[in-house]
Amino acid sequence: AQSVTQPDIHITVSEGASLELRCNYSYGATPYLFWYVQSPGQGLQLLLKYFSGDTLVQGIKGFEAEFKRSQSSFNLRKPSVHWSDAAEYFCAVGARSGGYQKVTFGTGTKLQVIP
Amino acid sequence: DVKVTQSSRYLVKRTGEKVFLECVQDMDHENMFWYRQDPGLGLRLIYFSYDVKMKEKGDIPEGYSVSREKKERFSLILESASTNQTSMYLCASGGTVGGEKLFFGSGTQLSVL
Repeated sequence: AQSVTQPDIHITVSEGASLELRCNYSYGATPYLFWYVQSPGQGLQLLLKYFSGDTLVQGIKGFEAEFKRSQSSFNLRKPSVHWSDAAEYFCAVGARSGGYQKVTFGTGTKLQVIP
Repeated sequence: DVKVTQSSRYLVKRTGEKVFLECVQDMDHENMFWYRQDPGLGLRLIYFSYDVKMKEKGDIPEGYSVSREKKERFSLILESASTNQTSMYLCASGGTVGGEKLFFGSGTQLSVL
């Protein structure tokens, strides 16, 4: 069975500082990996995804994530955080089996940005 | 733009009532999902469906059932609502290829009193 762990429930960073959100997954084969963001009162928006190829993937809003198979990790990074990045971030793993795809989410990391 | 529409934004029900949550998507997606979102627990998968009349249990199916009679519509049913089913329910849809992003509805906040 697949699973996702986001060890940090809440993170606070200063505006302009760098950010790294951690994500570890469990799955037997190469999974599809995603990062979604949910701003207050908003729906979930896809930031980026990985399945194969370059292990460093670029997403929207200046985010990037690196897939490290040896560590079963897919950490999200941003070099300089903006106040508008305050939101909840979810890592997800998608596993394809037969004709369907099961997508499992982590518990989320809430990001607070201080001036 | 893809639209995933959930029939109600807010819903208040009594313990023991049968509750239907409806979800409709307009992108001809094969896969549809029901999640519940609770603070500190993230999104937990209740059920998903990969074709008409086909369904699979997710991680927390107890107390729920689903119906998919048409490709565009995926219903979540609470046979006998309980207070611990008070939650935000999110419907999502996505293609079959794999690795495709999910499109989410705006959610239904269900309160069971």
